[in-house]
Amino acid sequence: EIVLTQSPATLSLSPGERATLSCRASQSVSSYLAWYQQKPGQAPRLLIYDASNRATGIPARFSGSGSGTDFTLTISSLEPEDFAVYYCQQRSNWPNFGQGTRLEIK
Amino acid sequence: QVQLVESGGGVVQPGGSLRLSCAASGFTFSSYGMHWVRQAPGKGLEWVAFIRYDGSNKYYADSVKGRFTISRDNSKNTLYLQMNSLRAEDTAVYYCAKDPWEVGSGYYFDYWGQGTLVTVSS
Repeated sequence: EIVLTQSPATLSLSPGERATLSCRASQSVSSYLAWYQQKPGQAPRLLIYDASNRATGIPARFSGSGSGTDFTLTISSLEPEDFAVYYCQQRSNWPNFGQGTRLEIK
Repeated sequence: QVQLVESGGGVVQPGGSLRLSCAASGFTFSSYGMHWVRQAPGKGLEWVAFIRYDGSNKYYADSVKGRFTISRDNSKNTLYLQMNSLRAEDTAVYYCAKDPWEVGSGYYFDYWGQGTLVTVSS
């Protein structure tokens, strides 16, 4: 099983700041990695797939990068609605998720 | 627009059974694979099962293999999850989710339902 480790567990930032979230895989997943956003009481929303492709309707301030074992989700300038939990997910093997990063308002 | 609406959740005793349904609309249901993903209270996400667009292949997480069965009725645009021999650790919100690739298996989840809560407790 491929283990995905997200860091940090919690990130405290202010609106307008840049957010950088990390996801590390225990073995290479090539570029088969996605990022999701989940707000309290809501279903997750697909943001990025195949490491760097924005899903339909996702604002340009969200970007993804990386390949192999190290991946990054960057939010260039935080909007109030971006504070949520973010999960990475791989599909190189049977799909699984990281444990999540909580992005909170500082 | 794509809509996925789950139903069938509730409280069930350990060892019991439950069948979840997911009604789909806004896309050609018969052309897309579908997934179930669950989330235990306060915890992360866990993929549960996948069924190909035509129902020809089904895949399960080890944690539910032999106890859960995924199925679909393309004439009714509905996805199902039959859950047997339920355990306390199956307690979760169950989401149905659409696969992005038409007539393929992307194993990403581009649209999600609102979820239905299953509680396994005596």
